[in-house]
Amino acid sequence: GQNIDQPTEMTATEGAIVQINCTYQTSGFNGLFWYQQHAGEAPTFLSYNVLDGLEEKGRFSSFLSRSKGYSYLLLKELQMKDSASYLCAVRDLDKGAGSYQLTFGKGTKLSVIP
Amino acid sequence: DGGITQSPKYLFRKEGQNVTLSCEQNLNHDAMYWYRQDPGQGLRLIYYSQIVNDFQKGDIAEGYSVSREKKESFPLTVTSAQKNPTAFYLCASSIKGGATKNIQYFGAGTRLSVL
Repeated sequence: GQNIDQPTEMTATEGAIVQINCTYQTSGFNGLFWYQQHAGEAPTFLSYNVLDGLEEKGRFSSFLSRSKGYSYLLLKELQMKDSASYLCAVRDLDKGAGSYQLTFGKGTKLSVIP
Repeated sequence: DGGITQSPKYLFRKEGQNVTLSCEQNLNHDAMYWYRQDPGQGLRLIYYSQIVNDFQKGDIAEGYSVSREKKESFPLTVTSAQKNPTAFYLCASSIKGGATKNIQYFGAGTRLSVL
């Protein structure tokens, strides 16, 4: 089974930097994904980490430490349009089915204020 | 334009009724998935399919059924056995289930409510 924890809500100011943490416990880790989801819309892919370290993509970066079961998503130069939920998802092996599956955290609702 | 199309956007179910949610993709993806999202909850996997004519139960399959007769289509039926069907249903697809960087792409969702 999986246990994925992330903060329920965060608030940050436009132009600032915010870090959203995700901790997980898994028996067969095979990658961690971050998705962005605006209210009532589909989740969209942001980043993927499978090895330890930082992956940077424009204003968004994601970090992974497999030994600590820890990841964070870093958003720089916050814009109002970044107000959304951010979903952490861990991929591991479903041994019963012999396939890899994603398990999602409950999401962090980020509010960006002027 | 490639993508995943879910229909309808909104759906209402009467007591004792089965309803079917449509999911079509033209991305040539092998794997398809159905998730349910409730307020304050993460996405929970209902069913998934890695190949035509084959599918597996996810964590909350009870009260749901699927078929995968074509690569492009993965319809979900919410049966009368599902006692709490009100939720946002999301369909996703990916290249194939075993790929290392197996990014799942999502449709716009169907919001199901009970009358």
